[in-house]
Amino acid sequence: SQTIHQWPATLVQPVGSPLSLECTVEGTSNPNLYWYRQAAGRGLQLLFYSVGIGQISSEVPQNLSASRPQDRQFILSSKKLLLSDSGFYLCAWKHRWQGGEKLFFGSGTQLSVL
Amino acid sequence: QKEVEQDPGPLSVPEGAIVSLNCTYSNSAFQYFMWYRQYSRKGPELLMYTYSSGNKEDGRFTAQVDKSSKYISLFIRDSQPSDSATYLCAMRDTGGGADGLTFGKGTHLIIQP
Repeated sequence: SQTIHQWPATLVQPVGSPLSLECTVEGTSNPNLYWYRQAAGRGLQLLFYSVGIGQISSEVPQNLSASRPQDRQFILSSKKLLLSDSGFYLCAWKHRWQGGEKLFFGSGTQLSVL
Repeated sequence: QKEVEQDPGPLSVPEGAIVSLNCTYSNSAFQYFMWYRQYSRKGPELLMYTYSSGNKEDGRFTAQVDKSSKYISLFIRDSQPSDSATYLCAMRDTGGGADGLTFGKGTHLIIQP
C-alpha cells in the first residue's frame, strides 16, 4: 500500500532563517506530488505541484520554492522566511486511474515564524 | 464570487443527531466531488468520493451531489464525538490536468457528548 511521509511535524523558525520541508512517498512510482499551505480562515492553498523529477509548477508567487530531486521525494524550501510564511504545510500525492483521481495527504508540518 | 463556498461554522450538534454539511460551487465543469475529514493539526483524510450527480453511501456517511443546483452535501447519521473535526469539500473538472483540487475552506463540526 502507498504511504506518504512528511517531516518535521512542528517547526519554529526565526524570521530570515532558511526552511527545508521534506516529503516522501512509498509504494507508488512517478506520482504527481503537491505542496499545500493551510492558514487559519483561508483554506487550502496550492503552492507547487510536480509531475516528475525536476518538473515543478508554481501556483502562487511567493517566498518559497520547491524541488523534486528523486521520483518520490518533494522538498519545500525558502532562503529567508517571512512572518507571513507561518502556516500548516501539507504534502500530497495523487492516485489516478481510468475512472478518476484522488488526493492523499501527509500528516502536515506546523510552521511558526517568529 | 469564489469557486467553492463552505460555511466555516462552528457547527455544534448533540451526539446522535444527523449532521448536514454543505458546499456550493460556481464552476459547472466540476465533475468529481470529494469530502475530507481533518482532525486538528493532522492531514486531511479522504472520506467520500463521487462522480457527477447522485448519492453515495458509506456506513454512517452519505454524500449527495446536485449538479443542477451546484450544491453538494455530506450527511452524518448517528453522529459521534469522534466525528468532531473540520470537513472540507473538494472538487475538480475532467480536464485531466496535473494541478490539484479546488477546496472549500472547511466546516468545523463539534459533536457534544
